[in-house]
Amino acid sequence: NAGVMQNPRHLVRRRGQEARLRCSPMKGHSHVYWYRQLPEEGLKFMVYLQKENIIDESGMPKERFSAEFPKEGPSILRIQQVVRGDSAAYFCASSPLVGPQHFGDGTRLSIL
Amino acid sequence: AQSVTQPDIHITVSEGASLELRCNYSYGATPYLFWYVQSPGQGLQLLLKYFSGDTLVQGIKGFEAEFKRSQSSFNLRKPSVHWSDAAEYFCAVGADQAGTALIFGKGTTLSVSS
Repeated sequence: NAGVMQNPRHLVRRRGQEARLRCSPMKGHSHVYWYRQLPEEGLKFMVYLQKENIIDESGMPKERFSAEFPKEGPSILRIQQVVRGDSAAYFCASSPLVGPQHFGDGTRLSIL
Repeated sequence: AQSVTQPDIHITVSEGASLELRCNYSYGATPYLFWYVQSPGQGLQLLLKYFSGDTLVQGIKGFEAEFKRSQSSFNLRKPSVHWSDAAEYFCAVGADQAGTALIFGKGTTLSVSS
C-alpha cells in the first residue's frame, strides 16, 4: 500500500497519559498535515509540516499538543497529559509540492 | 470568515436515482475546492478537485461537480447512485493545491435505499 500510513489505528489512554500518533506520508510527498475530527463534525486543521519544519500550527491547541516531522522517520503528533476531550479521530494527510492532500485511515483515540 | 457550509446533514436516495450534494463556501482568495468521501472507520478519499479552467469537473466513481463563482457553490452530482455510494461526503476549500490548511464542511451523510 503506497498510501498514507497511520498507526496505531486505535489507541486507548487513561487521563494524564501521553498519546503518540504516527504518520508516514505517501512516497514522494514532502508535506504533512494533521487534522482532528470530533463526532458530528468535519475535520479541523491542526498543523502543517515539512521535513524538520513546522510551517503552520495555527490550529494546534496551545498546551499539551506538539508535532514533528524529522529528517528520518514518520511525523509524530504528541498529546501530553490527555484529557477526555482529546477523544477524537486524528487524520494525517500528505501532499507533494503541488497537488491535493491524500489522507490516511486515521487514529481513533479514546481516553478512559 | 472563511467557511464551508453543507446544508444537508443527511440525505436518502433510492438506488439508481440521481444525487446532488450541496456545498457553499466563503473564502477571501481564489478557492481551490475539493470533495472527499469517507466510509465508516476509514480515511478520506479524494473524489475530485477544482483549481481553475472548466467549471464542470469529473471525478472518480462517476461523480462530477460544478463550480459556480456567482453562487459560491461547488455542488457534487451523480446521475445514478449505487448502494456502495452510501458514505459521508465532505466539501473542502483551500488557498492552493498544496501547502495550506483545508477548511472542511461538517459533511453530508448519504444513505441509499433499495
